[in-house]
Amino acid sequence: KAGVTQTPRYLIKTRGQQVTLSCSPISGHRSVSWYQQTPGQGLQFLFEYFSETQRNKGNFPGRFSGRQFSNSRSEMNVSTLELGDSALYLCASSLGRGAATDTQYFGPGTRLTVL
Amino acid sequence: AQSVTQLDSHVSVSEGTPVLLRCNYSSSYSPSLFWYVQHPNKGLQLLLKYTSAATLVKGINGFEAEFKKSETSFHLTKPSAHMSDAAEYFCVVSVSNTGNQFYFGTGTSLTVIP
Repeated sequence: KAGVTQTPRYLIKTRGQQVTLSCSPISGHRSVSWYQQTPGQGLQFLFEYFSETQRNKGNFPGRFSGRQFSNSRSEMNVSTLELGDSALYLCASSLGRGAATDTQYFGPGTRLTVL
Repeated sequence: AQSVTQLDSHVSVSEGTPVLLRCNYSSSYSPSLFWYVQHPNKGLQLLLKYTSAATLVKGINGFEAEFKKSETSFHLTKPSAHMSDAAEYFCVVSVSNTGNQFYFGTGTSLTVIP
C-alpha cells in the first residue's frame, strides 16, 4: 500500500498570505490528523477529521482550519500567516475506529517557511 | 489529563552499546503507548506500540519497550546501538474518549558515536 502523501513538500510564503496543504491518507483509512512541529513547541495536535467531520481539535487559533473530502483526502488552511507559523506540518492517517489502539501513520510533512 | 514526559532531551551512546530512552506517562484512561522515530527532515516512523496485550513489546530494528503500570513508564531499549539509530525519538500516549488523540513527548535526540 502506498503511504501517506503530503503536498507540497516545501512552501515559502510571506506574512499575511494564506496557504493550503494537502494530505492523502493510506487507502482504507478514514481518519486524518494534522500536527505542527516546531523546535520550540515540539509536536502539537491541530485537528482530526473523520468521515468529513472534525472530530477533535487542538488549541490553535481560528486561522487554522481544515476539511476532509469524501475520499478521505484532507486539506488544512492557514490564513493571515504569521512568522510563528513557520513549521513542519505533519499529516497522519489511521483507520479511525476511535480506539486508543489505532496506529497513526505519518506522511513526510510539508515544510512551511513564512518570511 | 494525559501527558508524556521524556526524561532525557539528549542521549549519547557508543556504537555497539545498549540504548535506553526513558518515558513516563500520565493518563486518566487506559492508555495505548507508542514509540516513533524521526530521522532528519523525514516524517515519523512507528517503532512499536503497547495496547495492553503484553507488557514487553518488540518493535522494528531490534527495539523493544516494557510497559510498567506501577511506575507509569514505557522505556525504550535496544541491546546494541547502530549508527543508523541516530535520530529523534518520540514517546506517545493515546486515549480514546472521542477519536484517538495522540499526546507527544518532547522527544529525545539519540547520538551514536562511532
